[in-house]
Amino acid sequence: EAQVTQNPRYLITVTGKKLTVTCSQNMNHEYMSWYRQDPGLGLRQIYYSMNVEVTDKGDVPEGYKVSRKEKRNFPLILESPSPNQTSLYFCASSQAAVAYEQYFGPGTRLTVT
Amino acid sequence: SQELEQSPQSLIVQEGKNLTINCTSSKTLYGLYWYKQKYGEGLIFLMMLQKGGEEKSHEKITAKLDEKKQQSSLHITASQPSHAGIYLCGADIGSARQLTFGSGTQLTVLP
Repeated sequence: EAQVTQNPRYLITVTGKKLTVTCSQNMNHEYMSWYRQDPGLGLRQIYYSMNVEVTDKGDVPEGYKVSRKEKRNFPLILESPSPNQTSLYFCASSQAAVAYEQYFGPGTRLTVT
Repeated sequence: SQELEQSPQSLIVQEGKNLTINCTSSKTLYGLYWYKQKYGEGLIFLMMLQKGGEEKSHEKITAKLDEKKQQSSLHITASQPSHAGIYLCGADIGSARQLTFGSGTQLTVLP
């Protein structure tokens, strides 16, 4: 089954404790992206990657890191999480090296206390 | 203000009623995408519109792109409880590398 998977689905952590949210797609997609969703603000892009070893900042990259060492994986790293990073995070991918018709993962709900 | 404005922000309708959701851009639209999200879950792609005047339908959902107005509308005919959820528009407003999203319209359909 073609899908984008994220782990974990739910995470509660404390300020400053490094964490990684994994994202994997099995569709051989070129493009992958991370978003955060907050009430009233909609989806905002954090980082995106157009191919292996190619990553770029989105609209809200502060406090986040990503890497794209393999085509299928695009982990999101929070080196020192803060409460304002409490949010619902989505990973997405699309076939072409552009942002069209993105397939979304199920989401990771992160709470930073 | 956001580059993509959706209206209304929320909508409650009786089952069987028709409804329309609008998505208006402050910039030129190069492509418009409609997604549906069930609360707290991932987004499901509905439709893509790329040309002015283009209209697409999927079951009872129709979307149209008005390039001149920089606006898209999503219309649901004879709504059902299964249509309930959050509808988001996403658009390419100048960078094929990024989609900008509206803040969503929460739809409730009362049985």
